[in-house]
Amino acid sequence: GEEVAQTPKHLVRGEGQKAKLYCAPIKGHSYVFWYQQVLKNEFKFLISFQNENVFDETGMPKERFSAKCLPNSPCSLEIQATKLEDSAVYFCASSRAVGTGSTDTQYFGPGTRLTVL
Amino acid sequence: AQSVTQLDSQVPVFEEAPVELRCNYSSSVSVYLFWYVQYPNQGLQLLLKYLSGSTLVKGINGFEAEFNKSQTSFHLRKPSVHISDTAEYFCAVSQLTGGGNKLTFGTGTQLKVEL
Repeated sequence: GEEVAQTPKHLVRGEGQKAKLYCAPIKGHSYVFWYQQVLKNEFKFLISFQNENVFDETGMPKERFSAKCLPNSPCSLEIQATKLEDSAVYFCASSRAVGTGSTDTQYFGPGTRLTVL
Repeated sequence: AQSVTQLDSQVPVFEEAPVELRCNYSSSVSVYLFWYVQYPNQGLQLLLKYLSGSTLVKGINGFEAEFNKSQTSFHLRKPSVHISDTAEYFCAVSQLTGGGNKLTFGTGTQLKVEL
C-alpha cells in the first residue's frame, strides 16, 4: 500500500503480560524502522530491518524486546513481560533505501499506543 | 554520535504572523536533516528535508528551512501561519553514510497559533 499500516491502534496490558505490535511497510520499501515515543516528546530508535534481516539493533532492550520482519508477513515488535515504563506510542517507519539521496526518506505509520497497567 | 537540540519547547504566535522554529545539531559526520510535524494523536508527517544542494529548502504547507553548516542549524520558517499549523514539530538528523539511516530526533517544539 501507499501508507505504513500499524495495528492495533491501542493496546492495554497488565504488567508482566506480553504485547505484540504489527507494521506493514509501504509496498516496495526495503527498510523498516521501529521507534518508541515516550512522554509525547522523546523519540527513541529501537531497531531497523533491511527486508527480513536486522540492519541496526543498537536501540533494542534485548532482555524483553524482540522484532521480526518475515517475507509476506507484517513486521512485528514483541515485548515479553511488559513493564510500566514500556507505556509509550510505538511508531513504525519504512524507506525505500538507505543513504541514497531522495529515496531514503522515512514514512511513518500512525503508531500503536501501548498502555501498561 | 549525533544529537539534535530544539531550544524552544513552546512557541505561541498569532495567526498570520511569521514564525521560526529553531533546530541545532551536532554530528561528527555529514548528515541529512528533516523536519516532521505531528498533529494530535497522529503519526509523523514529513514537512521537508535537506540532503544536498541549495541550502534553502521548501516544503509542504508553505514551510521552508535553511541549512547553515557553519552554525550547524536547520531552522524552520513560515512567513504567515494559520490556525491549522498548530502541532508539534520535530527536527531530526540521520547520518549520510553508515549508521543505518536511523533518525535522531530533537525533543520537539509545540507551535500554538492563536487568533
